[in-house]
Amino acid sequence: DQQVKQNSPSLSVQEGRISILNCDYTNSMFDYFLWYKKYPAEGPTFLISISSIKDKNEDGRFTVFLNKSAKHLSLHIVPSQPGDSAVYFCAASAIAAGGTSYGKLTFGQGTILTVHP
Amino acid sequence: EAGVAQSPRYKIIEKRQSVAFWCNPISGHATLYWYQQILGQGPKLLIQFQNNGVVDDSQLPKDRFSAERLKGVDSTLKIQPAKLEDSAVYLCASSSGQGLEQYFGPGTRLTVT
Repeated sequence: DQQVKQNSPSLSVQEGRISILNCDYTNSMFDYFLWYKKYPAEGPTFLISISSIKDKNEDGRFTVFLNKSAKHLSLHIVPSQPGDSAVYFCAASAIAAGGTSYGKLTFGQGTILTVHP
Repeated sequence: EAGVAQSPRYKIIEKRQSVAFWCNPISGHATLYWYQQILGQGPKLLIQFQNNGVVDDSQLPKDRFSAERLKGVDSTLKIQPAKLEDSAVYLCASSSGQGLEQYFGPGTRLTVT
């Protein structure tokens, strides 16, 4: 069962415009969400995260929005740059048993972002 | 600060052969993870260590996969015997504690023919 879904396999955007990557989840126990970026032949690198007590988190050009009622989150990149071209993974986690830390990450399938100059 | 190191970077084996992957986490990181990423899918956690103890191995196919983390530092993941469906990238990650930011290595791309 795919608990975290990224329904768009790819996205193509012009440099300077906004990139919007979407992610849906089904497990209502998830309360911490992350975005990772992956370049070819490299491991994923952490980009930005959001806790379920917030609906928005911003870091420079990157903003993550969380809609808990719709079980949906999105990553906005403004303005998009050619160097942003990569695979973007959405991941989710729930408080681990004992309530002291987050449990394992469940990843979506990824979205390939291509930013054209 | 050195990142997570993995070797080999690429491996091609025939089905039914065995293979082992090595991971050296970031110095001082107590938590180590092994993920399997099949083409077109996101990484899937195989096993998580806290120091040299196993925290979660619920998705590890234990009939053919094994992992160890002796002395709570580096780790090896072994597949014996390999199947065609084991073709994937095997990623190692580490974090300074459970639930904290994970840092990934470059991965080992395994092809089983």
